[in-house]
Amino acid sequence: QKEVEQNSGPLSVPEGAIASLNCTYSDRGSQSFFWYRQYSGKSPELIMFIYSNGDKEDGRFTAQLNKASQYVSLLIRDSQPSDSATYLCAVNRSGGSYIPTFGRGTSLIVHP
Amino acid sequence: NAGVMQNPRHLVRRRGQEARLRCSPMKGHSHVYWYRQLPEEGLKFMVYLQKENIIDESGMPKERFSAEFPKEGPSILRIQQVVRGDSAAYFCASSPPSRVAGGYTFGSGTRLTVV
Repeated sequence: QKEVEQNSGPLSVPEGAIASLNCTYSDRGSQSFFWYRQYSGKSPELIMFIYSNGDKEDGRFTAQLNKASQYVSLLIRDSQPSDSATYLCAVNRSGGSYIPTFGRGTSLIVHP
Repeated sequence: NAGVMQNPRHLVRRRGQEARLRCSPMKGHSHVYWYRQLPEEGLKFMVYLQKENIIDESGMPKERFSAEFPKEGPSILRIQQVVRGDSAAYFCASSPPSRVAGGYTFGSGTRLTVV
């Protein structure tokens, strides 16, 4: 079983719509969750992190965490073509050096 | 305030040669992490270092790969006797001691091509 799973996509949404990106994880003891954005040919960029159950909002981005269901999601409101990128979910291991495990990412395409 | 600096940006090596990738963390950051990204795959953790210390190398291949972070100078990821399967993007990230692992700033990466 993969530790962090994401649908590879591509997820295609029209400009102005809400994009919903999902991630499930297998380590029940994980405490920290991260979303990174990676444009083609570029390095990953941290956009959100969440530690507690519930929602966390930052501008057009909302991260949602449900530890009981081992599920974390990222909502992007008012999607723009510039949001087109691959979104990587990362989840900290519950032991050792707490190094995060990354999912393979979901490709998002926002079309005008 | 420079970010995480990696060089070279692109590196071409013939099979059997050595590759040396360098990473200078952000000012004030003492933790360095190396990741590898193969085409169409996610980021795979390789090694976590602090100055003069390897903290976690659970993701490093057992042979040909080594990493160091000396007291002075950048962190170095060294790949000996490269093979075609080593072709990938190698990213370095850094964080301050107070930041929980995962909230990284990544460098621009080194794209290694083995021919």
